[in-house]
Amino acid sequence: DTAVSQTPKYLVTQMGNDKSIKCEQNLGHDTMYWYKQDSKKFLKIMFSYNNKELIINETVPNRFSPKSPDKAHLNLHINSLELGDSAVYFCASSQVSGSTQYFGPGTRLTVL
Amino acid sequence: AQSVTQPDIHITVSEGASLELRCNYSYGATPYLFWYVQSPGQGLQLLLKYFSGDTLVQGIKGFEAEFKRSQSSFNLRKPSVHWSDAAEYFCAVGGTSGNTGKLIFGQGTTLQVKP
Repeated sequence: DTAVSQTPKYLVTQMGNDKSIKCEQNLGHDTMYWYKQDSKKFLKIMFSYNNKELIINETVPNRFSPKSPDKAHLNLHINSLELGDSAVYFCASSQVSGSTQYFGPGTRLTVL
Repeated sequence: AQSVTQPDIHITVSEGASLELRCNYSYGATPYLFWYVQSPGQGLQLLLKYFSGDTLVQGIKGFEAEFKRSQSSFNLRKPSVHWSDAAEYFCAVGGTSGNTGKLIFGQGTTLQVKP
């Protein structure tokens, strides 16, 4: 009964493809986030949703589109994948916006 | 601008020795401060957090951190390091400004533990 889960754990794909990463939390939290960790392990927020409403969009290319079908899920769809998209993507959730964030195990995306 | 600096990219300590990982932040409003740990190939686990009150906070696995507003610091300490503490440690700041929940992370400190 993992609190924040992500699928898949690993994703290897070719440049130009479209892929999705899924995130689910069973903590009953209102807010969910996507972070990107680059090859230097630097973590940067990409998006945040509160009750299915987008509240943070950090100058991420339009190729990245988050979707929140309900409070417990926040998916990340990426179009036309580029080499620079290779990274580890972390989902997180918090009870409300601004409270402690709990992270998922990450999805390692490799674009060839 | 809001930022977090972890001055030590890599630290090596002997097992049983004490540990201090440094974190300095720049934040215009009242900060919330966090330390997370990332073991190889794993997600981030929350070690401890500071929101308000007592400036010395206790966390899991025997870690503690002290918030010093005058020095804009939130250093992480452990009196006796275990081999299993080898990991990447991240300091992060969030807070009341806009209350968006945005966390700003430091660059991380890699901890290596010698037997």
